[in-house]
Amino acid sequence: DAGVTQSPTHLIKTRGQQVTLRCSPKSGHDTVSWYQQALGQGPQFIFQYYEEEERQRGNFPDRFSGHQFPNYSSELNVNALLLGDSALYLCASSLAGGYRYNEQFFGPGTRLTVL
Amino acid sequence: EDQVTQSPEALRLQEGESSSLNCSYTVSGLRGLFWYRQDPGKGPEFLFTLYSAGEEKEKERLKATLTKKESFLHITAPKPEDSATYLCAARPINDYKLSFGAGTTVTVRA
Repeated sequence: DAGVTQSPTHLIKTRGQQVTLRCSPKSGHDTVSWYQQALGQGPQFIFQYYEEEERQRGNFPDRFSGHQFPNYSSELNVNALLLGDSALYLCASSLAGGYRYNEQFFGPGTRLTVL
Repeated sequence: EDQVTQSPEALRLQEGESSSLNCSYTVSGLRGLFWYRQDPGKGPEFLFTLYSAGEEKEKERLKATLTKKESFLHITAPKPEDSATYLCAARPINDYKLSFGAGTTVTVRA
């Protein structure tokens, strides 16, 4: 059973650049959420995608955008990178509907460093 | 505003020394309370979901319990491989996001 996969594993960018992170959900899942985790902190919710639309958004600026594809995979795009965007970016997948639809399973994350 | 607070921030245990981690939550109606384990540089690993006060779940040396305001993760006779950061998250009713605490880092010495 394939779990959540993310690419790339690590990424180094400079301020002002743009970055795209990718996520493939766990087999059978149709919902993807993105979180940002700064060092020593818990993950912070960025947004969730379901049926190729953004269903809910956290307190992140418009520089953060996303997309979900028909095969349920997803991308996170960050424009005009700031030093403060350096973090571990986590993708979580879940199944909409049904008793267990709350449970979100996380991928290994993408470590983004902005110089 | 939804808030999740975990204590202590760090816990150092001797192998076999049982202890408990606390997660206090304030949400506008709880849909679920989740516990995750996170190893350094990796994504959180799902452990438990608790839905209602009084519910308990167990997995190996871990046991999670839930009240109306708190959840506890009990670690019984821990081993060095239980060393990790344990995260708790709450999902409010009518909300899709998980609100996480900052985690408790547990170190178990042999």
